[in-house]
Amino acid sequence: DTEVTQTPKHLVMGMTNKKSLKCEQHMGHRAMYWYKQKAKKPPELMFVYSYEKLSINESVPSRFSPECPNSSLLNLHLHALQPEDSALYLCASSQERRSSYEQYFGPGTRLTVT
Amino acid sequence: AQTVTQSQPEMSVQEAETVTLSCTYDTSESDYYLFWYKQPPSRQMILVIRQEAYKQQNATENRFSVNFQKAAKSFSLKISDSQLGDAAMYFCAYRARYAGGTSYGKLTFGQGTILTVHP
Repeated sequence: DTEVTQTPKHLVMGMTNKKSLKCEQHMGHRAMYWYKQKAKKPPELMFVYSYEKLSINESVPSRFSPECPNSSLLNLHLHALQPEDSALYLCASSQERRSSYEQYFGPGTRLTVT
Repeated sequence: AQTVTQSQPEMSVQEAETVTLSCTYDTSESDYYLFWYKQPPSRQMILVIRQEAYKQQNATENRFSVNFQKAAKSFSLKISDSQLGDAAMYFCAYRARYAGGTSYGKLTFGQGTILTVHP
């Protein structure tokens, strides 16, 4: 099973709202990732968690706040977003051992900021 | 820094025919992985095939195969017997096997190739 799930599938929020994106994997993967993807572009890495600790923050604005409550769950808290933050937000995970370094992606949350 | 280049923004193929998507990369590492991902319109990004740099043999997954030329830093994807469901954006991606610090787990993506399959 190589499933990564994400909720919600679609989200519309105003610039003053607070919302959260959720990602879950039950593959025992050690690393989890948040990406932002604009139409017809490759994903852009935002954050990397390794063993539930934040390993990489790609200079993401503080209006995006990641959280890893446990080894299976990854959240992305959103606050005071801008219209240019509208995009597809992808979560991914990878095992990071035994020659298994490929990332598996969830279906994404399509975010629209109004 | 590693870079991945996909020189074909768009490609098209007739159903049942074969198409090859190109990818070149640049790295100073000797141990790394290369991947092809498929992303249909408004759908999930799916891993198509992976190649470990230290393996000489080209990877194959059913109708998908790669031509891995390590010295030339080339990693092309061949799709045989193309099907309508193969229509998607295809991304080539690279990652170093043992990357730490600010490169931990990082995938470097190419810009993608949009594949159209004609019936």
